[in-house]
Amino acid sequence: KQEVTQIPAALSVPEGENLVLNCSFTDSAIYNLQWFRQDPGKGLTSLLLIQSSQREQTSGRLNASLDKSSGRSTLYIAASQPGDSATYLCAVKNQGGKLIFGQGTELSVKP
Amino acid sequence: NAGVTQTPKFRILKIGQSMTLQCTQDMNHNYMYWYRQDPGMGLKLIYYSVGAGITDKGEVPNGYNVSRSTTEDFPLRLELAAPSQTSVYFCASILGQTSSTGELFFGEGSRLTVL
Repeated sequence: KQEVTQIPAALSVPEGENLVLNCSFTDSAIYNLQWFRQDPGKGLTSLLLIQSSQREQTSGRLNASLDKSSGRSTLYIAASQPGDSATYLCAVKNQGGKLIFGQGTELSVKP
Repeated sequence: NAGVTQTPKFRILKIGQSMTLQCTQDMNHNYMYWYRQDPGMGLKLIYYSVGAGITDKGEVPNGYNVSRSTTEDFPLRLELAAPSQTSVYFCASILGQTSSTGELFFGEGSRLTVL
């Protein structure tokens, strides 16, 4: 049974700081891993998708890495801004199409 | 192109009532999902479908039923609503395993309260 865990549950940083969010999963037989952003009371926005054969993906100030063998992914946010404040969720998809989410990390970037 | 459409957006049910949350996508996606999200929590998978006529249980299927008679529609049925089913429900879809992007598209959510 796939379990996805995100640590920490909440994080508060000053503006401009670089930060790392963590996602771990118990079953390494994954198809891909995605990172999402959710603003309060809103739906989810896809940020980055990493296929199982890839090691990392980058989009602007965001960089996501994947280490299947250790069951870990990280989301690196460079030069954080108050507008980055949101909940960040990772989701792991297996070969059969099942897509499991972590519980999310609530990020607050203080001006 | 409407994407993923969920209805209703809000609903209040009495304990024991039944209802269906509708989900429709117009992107010809094969994979569809139903999630629930409780306050301060991540998304829990209720049911998913990899194509018309195929459905599978997720992490929290008890108290729910689904059907997938067409590629476009994936309704979620709540039988005998209970207060524990008070939550925000999200429907999502992906083109399929062979999609080059695999990007997950979400509906706007349906907020259900059971009193």
